[in-house]
Amino acid sequence: DAKTTQPNSMESNEEEPVHLPCNHSTISGTDYIHWYRQLPSQGPEYVIHGLTSNVNNRMASLAIAEDRKSSTLILHRATLRDAAVYYCILSVNSGYALNFGKGTSLLVTP
Amino acid sequence: AAGVIQSPRHLIKEKRETATLKCYPIPRHDTVYWYQQGPGQDPQFLISFYEKMQSDKGSIPDRFSAQQFSDYHSELNMSSLELGDSALYFCASSLPTSGGVNEQFFGPGTRLTVL
Repeated sequence: DAKTTQPNSMESNEEEPVHLPCNHSTISGTDYIHWYRQLPSQGPEYVIHGLTSNVNNRMASLAIAEDRKSSTLILHRATLRDAAVYYCILSVNSGYALNFGKGTSLLVTP
Repeated sequence: AAGVIQSPRHLIKEKRETATLKCYPIPRHDTVYWYQQGPGQDPQFLISFYEKMQSDKGSIPDRFSAQQFSDYHSELNMSSLELGDSALYFCASSLPTSGGVNEQFFGPGTRLTVL
Protein backbone atom coordinates (compact mmCIF):
# COMPACT_ATOMS: atom_id res chain seq x y z
CA ASP A 1 0.00 0.00 0.00
CA ALA A 2 1.17 3.52 -0.75
CA LYS A 3 2.16 5.39 2.41
CA THR A 4 1.66 8.94 3.54
CA THR A 5 3.87 11.21 5.63
CA GLN A 6 2.52 14.06 7.70
CA PRO A 7 4.03 16.36 10.33
CA ASN A 8 3.32 15.16 13.86
CA SER A 9 1.84 18.47 14.94
CA MET A 10 1.03 21.96 13.78
CA GLU A 11 -0.22 25.06 15.50
CA SER A 12 -2.40 27.85 14.21
CA ASN A 13 -4.04 30.98 15.49
CA GLU A 14 -7.79 31.20 15.43
CA GLU A 15 -9.30 32.73 12.28
CA GLU A 16 -6.11 32.25 10.31
CA PRO A 17 -5.71 29.84 7.38
CA VAL A 18 -4.05 26.49 8.02
CA HIS A 19 -2.17 24.44 5.45
CA LEU A 20 -1.72 20.80 6.42
CA PRO A 21 0.76 19.00 4.16
CA CYS A 22 0.88 15.35 3.19
CA ASN A 23 3.55 13.54 1.19
CA HIS A 24 2.62 10.42 -0.75
CA SER A 25 5.46 9.89 -3.19
CA THR A 26 4.51 6.25 -3.94
CA ILE A 27 0.91 7.05 -4.86
CA SER A 28 -0.47 5.05 -7.78
CA GLY A 29 -2.64 6.38 -10.56
CA THR A 30 -5.83 4.93 -9.10
CA ASP A 31 -5.29 6.05 -5.49
CA TYR A 32 -7.70 8.64 -4.14
CA ILE A 33 -6.46 11.08 -1.50
CA HIS A 34 -8.77 11.25 1.49
CA TRP A 35 -8.65 13.48 4.53
CA TYR A 36 -10.38 12.59 7.76
CA ARG A 37 -10.10 14.24 11.13
CA GLN A 38 -10.69 13.03 14.64
CA LEU A 39 -11.81 15.50 17.25
CA PRO A 40 -11.04 14.65 20.88
CA SER A 41 -13.18 11.80 22.20
CA GLN A 42 -15.01 11.35 18.89
CA GLY A 43 -14.93 9.01 15.94
CA PRO A 44 -13.11 10.07 12.77
CA GLU A 45 -14.97 12.44 10.48
CA TYR A 46 -14.71 12.80 6.70
CA VAL A 47 -13.27 16.10 5.53
CA ILE A 48 -12.60 15.91 1.80
CA HIS A 49 -11.20 13.69 -0.95
CA GLY A 50 -9.73 14.11 -4.41
CA LEU A 51 -8.02 12.28 -7.25
CA THR A 52 -6.20 14.74 -9.50
CA SER A 53 -7.90 18.12 -9.40
CA ASN A 54 -8.13 20.54 -6.52
CA VAL A 55 -11.36 20.20 -4.55
CA ASN A 56 -13.42 22.54 -2.39
CA ASN A 57 -16.25 21.82 0.00
CA ARG A 58 -17.86 23.60 2.91
CA MET A 59 -15.24 22.34 5.33
CA ALA A 60 -11.97 22.74 3.48
CA SER A 61 -10.02 22.78 0.24
CA LEU A 62 -7.68 20.11 -1.07
CA ALA A 63 -4.77 21.16 -3.23
CA ILE A 64 -3.12 18.28 -5.10
CA ALA A 65 0.31 18.64 -6.65
CA GLU A 66 0.54 18.15 -10.38
CA ASP A 67 2.62 14.97 -9.97
CA ARG A 68 0.24 13.83 -7.16
CA LYS A 69 3.15 13.07 -4.87
CA SER A 70 1.88 15.52 -2.29
CA SER A 71 -1.26 17.31 -1.26
CA THR A 72 -2.30 20.05 1.14
CA LEU A 73 -5.47 20.35 3.16
CA ILE A 74 -6.45 23.97 3.58
CA LEU A 75 -8.69 25.22 6.37
CA HIS A 76 -9.51 28.75 5.34
CA ARG A 77 -10.24 30.14 8.78
CA ALA A 78 -9.31 27.93 11.67
CA THR A 79 -11.65 27.86 14.65
CA LEU A 80 -11.13 26.30 18.05
CA ARG A 81 -13.46 23.51 16.94
CA ASP A 82 -10.95 22.55 14.22
CA ALA A 83 -8.46 21.32 16.81
CA ALA A 84 -8.14 17.65 15.93
CA VAL A 85 -5.87 14.99 14.48
CA TYR A 86 -5.96 15.19 10.69
CA TYR A 87 -5.30 12.06 8.67
CA CYS A 88 -4.26 11.91 5.03
CA ILE A 89 -5.19 8.49 3.63
CA LEU A 90 -4.78 6.85 0.24
CA SER A 91 -7.18 4.28 -1.10
CA VAL A 92 -8.34 2.88 -4.41
CA ASN A 93 -11.85 4.09 -3.58
CA SER A 94 -13.88 4.67 -0.46
CA GLY A 95 -15.47 1.26 -0.69
CA TYR A 96 -12.35 -0.07 0.95
CA ALA A 97 -10.90 0.19 4.40
CA LEU A 98 -9.16 3.34 5.55
CA ASN A 99 -5.58 2.72 6.58
CA PHE A 100 -4.94 5.42 9.15
CA GLY A 101 -1.30 6.34 9.55
CA LYS A 102 0.21 8.91 11.86
CA GLY A 103 -1.81 12.06 11.40
CA THR A 104 -1.13 15.68 12.23
CA SER A 105 -2.33 16.99 15.56
CA LEU A 106 -3.58 20.52 14.96
CA LEU A 107 -3.63 22.94 17.85
CA VAL A 108 -5.65 26.12 17.41
CA THR A 109 -5.01 28.93 19.84
CA PRO A 110 -7.26 31.94 20.50
CA ALA B 1 -29.79 13.30 10.35
CA ALA B 2 -29.46 9.71 11.51
CA GLY B 3 -25.99 8.64 12.52
CA VAL B 4 -24.22 5.36 13.13
CA ILE B 5 -25.31 3.85 16.42
CA GLN B 6 -23.03 1.70 18.53
CA SER B 7 -23.90 -0.19 21.65
CA PRO B 8 -22.92 -0.42 24.32
CA ARG B 9 -20.96 2.80 24.64
CA HIS B 10 -18.90 1.45 27.50
CA LEU B 11 -18.11 -2.12 28.43
CA ILE B 12 -16.00 -3.58 31.20
CA LYS B 13 -14.96 -7.20 31.05
CA GLU B 14 -12.57 -9.52 32.82
CA LYS B 15 -9.72 -11.35 31.10
CA ARG B 16 -10.81 -14.45 29.21
CA GLU B 17 -14.43 -13.29 29.05
CA THR B 18 -16.34 -12.63 25.83
CA ALA B 19 -17.84 -9.42 24.52
CA THR B 20 -20.25 -8.49 21.76
CA LEU B 21 -20.29 -5.04 20.22
CA LYS B 22 -23.16 -3.92 18.04
CA CYS B 23 -23.30 -1.43 15.20
CA TYR B 24 -26.36 -0.03 13.48
CA PRO B 25 -25.43 1.73 10.23
CA ILE B 26 -27.10 4.78 8.77
CA PRO B 27 -30.27 3.74 6.87
CA ARG B 28 -29.54 2.66 3.28
CA HIS B 29 -25.84 2.17 4.03
CA ASP B 30 -24.92 -1.37 3.06
CA THR B 31 -21.23 -1.39 3.98
CA VAL B 32 -19.98 -1.60 7.55
CA TYR B 33 -16.41 -1.28 8.81
CA TRP B 34 -14.88 -2.01 12.21
CA TYR B 35 -11.83 -0.19 13.55
CA GLN B 36 -9.88 -0.54 16.78
CA GLN B 37 -8.10 2.39 18.44
CA GLY B 38 -5.80 1.58 21.34
CA PRO B 39 -4.85 4.22 23.93
CA GLY B 40 -2.79 6.95 22.27
CA GLN B 41 -2.84 5.13 18.95
CA ASP B 42 -4.37 5.69 15.55
CA PRO B 43 -7.41 3.72 14.37
CA GLN B 44 -6.62 0.33 12.84
CA PHE B 45 -8.94 -1.41 10.41
CA LEU B 46 -10.27 -4.77 11.56
CA ILE B 47 -12.88 -6.02 9.11
CA SER B 48 -15.63 -4.87 6.76
CA PHE B 49 -18.85 -6.20 5.29
CA TYR B 50 -20.71 -5.39 2.11
CA GLU B 51 -24.21 -6.74 1.58
CA LYS B 52 -23.78 -9.16 4.48
CA MET B 53 -20.59 -10.67 3.06
CA GLN B 54 -17.10 -10.05 4.40
CA SER B 55 -15.46 -7.66 1.97
CA ASP B 56 -12.07 -6.92 3.51
CA LYS B 57 -10.00 -8.08 6.44
CA GLY B 58 -7.36 -6.21 8.36
CA SER B 59 -5.49 -6.93 11.55
CA ILE B 60 -8.33 -8.72 13.27
CA PRO B 61 -7.22 -11.37 15.80
CA ASP B 62 -8.49 -14.92 15.32
CA ARG B 63 -10.27 -14.56 18.68
CA PHE B 64 -12.55 -11.97 17.08
CA SER B 65 -15.32 -12.62 14.60
CA ALA B 66 -17.95 -10.44 13.04
CA GLN B 67 -20.97 -10.62 10.84
CA GLN B 68 -23.53 -8.43 9.15
CA PHE B 69 -27.18 -9.32 9.43
CA SER B 70 -30.10 -9.03 7.01
CA ASP B 71 -31.03 -5.60 8.43
CA TYR B 72 -27.40 -4.52 7.81
CA HIS B 73 -26.51 -4.15 11.45
CA SER B 74 -23.23 -5.75 12.43
CA GLU B 75 -21.83 -7.42 15.51
CA LEU B 76 -18.22 -7.84 16.55
CA ASN B 77 -17.73 -10.85 18.80
CA MET B 78 -14.60 -10.98 20.92
CA SER B 79 -13.59 -14.05 22.89
CA SER B 80 -10.82 -14.88 25.37
CA LEU B 81 -10.37 -11.19 26.04
CA GLU B 82 -6.88 -9.97 26.84
CA LEU B 83 -5.72 -6.80 28.55
CA GLY B 84 -4.43 -5.56 25.21
CA ASP B 85 -7.94 -5.62 23.77
CA SER B 86 -8.79 -2.57 25.85
CA ALA B 87 -9.50 0.07 23.24
CA LEU B 88 -12.09 2.17 21.49
CA TYR B 89 -13.92 0.22 18.83
CA PHE B 90 -15.43 2.28 16.04
CA CYS B 91 -17.95 1.19 13.52
CA ALA B 92 -18.37 3.10 10.27
CA SER B 93 -20.85 2.77 7.43
CA SER B 94 -21.01 3.96 3.86
CA LEU B 95 -23.43 4.11 0.96
CA PRO B 96 -23.22 1.60 -1.86
CA THR B 97 -20.26 2.37 -4.09
CA SER B 98 -20.76 2.02 -7.81
CA GLY B 99 -17.50 3.24 -9.22
CA GLY B 100 -17.72 6.38 -7.17
CA VAL B 101 -16.19 7.40 -3.87
CA ASN B 102 -18.30 7.39 -0.74
CA GLU B 103 -17.30 8.73 2.62
CA GLN B 104 -17.36 6.60 5.72
CA PHE B 105 -19.51 7.80 8.60
CA PHE B 106 -18.19 6.81 11.99
CA GLY B 107 -20.11 6.02 15.12
CA PRO B 108 -19.22 7.34 18.58
CA GLY B 109 -17.37 4.17 19.47
CA THR B 110 -17.55 1.55 22.19
CA ARG B 111 -14.93 1.85 24.90
CA LEU B 112 -13.93 -1.65 26.00
CA THR B 113 -11.95 -2.05 29.19
CA VAL B 114 -10.53 -5.46 30.03
CA LEU B 115 -9.49 -5.94 33.64
